[in-house]
Amino acid sequence: NAGVTQTPKFQVLKTGQSMTLQCAQDMNHEYMSWYRQDPGMGLRLIHYSVGAGITDQGEVPNGYNVSRSTTEDFPLRLLSAAPSQTSVYFCASSYSQGFYEQYFGPGTRLTVT
Amino acid sequence: GESVGLHLPTLSVQEGDNSIINCAYSNSASDYFIWYKQESGKGPQFIIDIRSNMDKRQGQRVTVLLNKTVKHLSLQIAATQPGDSAVYFCAENYQNPGNQFYFGTGTSLTVIP
Repeated sequence: NAGVTQTPKFQVLKTGQSMTLQCAQDMNHEYMSWYRQDPGMGLRLIHYSVGAGITDQGEVPNGYNVSRSTTEDFPLRLLSAAPSQTSVYFCASSYSQGFYEQYFGPGTRLTVT
Repeated sequence: GESVGLHLPTLSVQEGDNSIINCAYSNSASDYFIWYKQESGKGPQFIIDIRSNMDKRQGQRVTVLLNKTVKHLSLQIAATQPGDSAVYFCAENYQNPGNQFYFGTGTSLTVIP
């Protein structure tokens, strides 16, 4: 049971480039989410999914796209990277919405130059 | 969004002493709270949770206290060990669409051997 896995662990992009951050979980969790973590700020929700085929925006969705074709995978796409997207990105999953703890992946540190 | 703050950004304690980390939340409708531990370079790790119908919950060496009157949450760590050195932050949740959690910025705990 690997839990929540994320790849890559580190990434450097130039402004305007695109990339996909991968996230997978093997706990059969329905709820998955993406957060970004910036210095001096709490984790902020980018996008979330309550099940395969269902996604919605969180607090800071601009510049990011997501899709959920399977229960296990929840990739985050940056279509045209900007320096403001330099951050550490965490994927998380939980059994369902409501009173359930979220399990976090190890994170992806992204730098946009 | 709602803000979740911490009173102290850093805390240093002697090994073996008890630690208390505080958190203030602003949404009186929040009904579920989680404390997370985050070690350097890793994703947040669940420590303990509490629902709003409780005032206190205990785990292994940790206790969470909830004071709804003043919207205050605290994490007590008994017999603090060097392995407890990390950033601790709280998260609050209320029955909003997407099960969005709001995270505090964190308190850095350093345990002095």
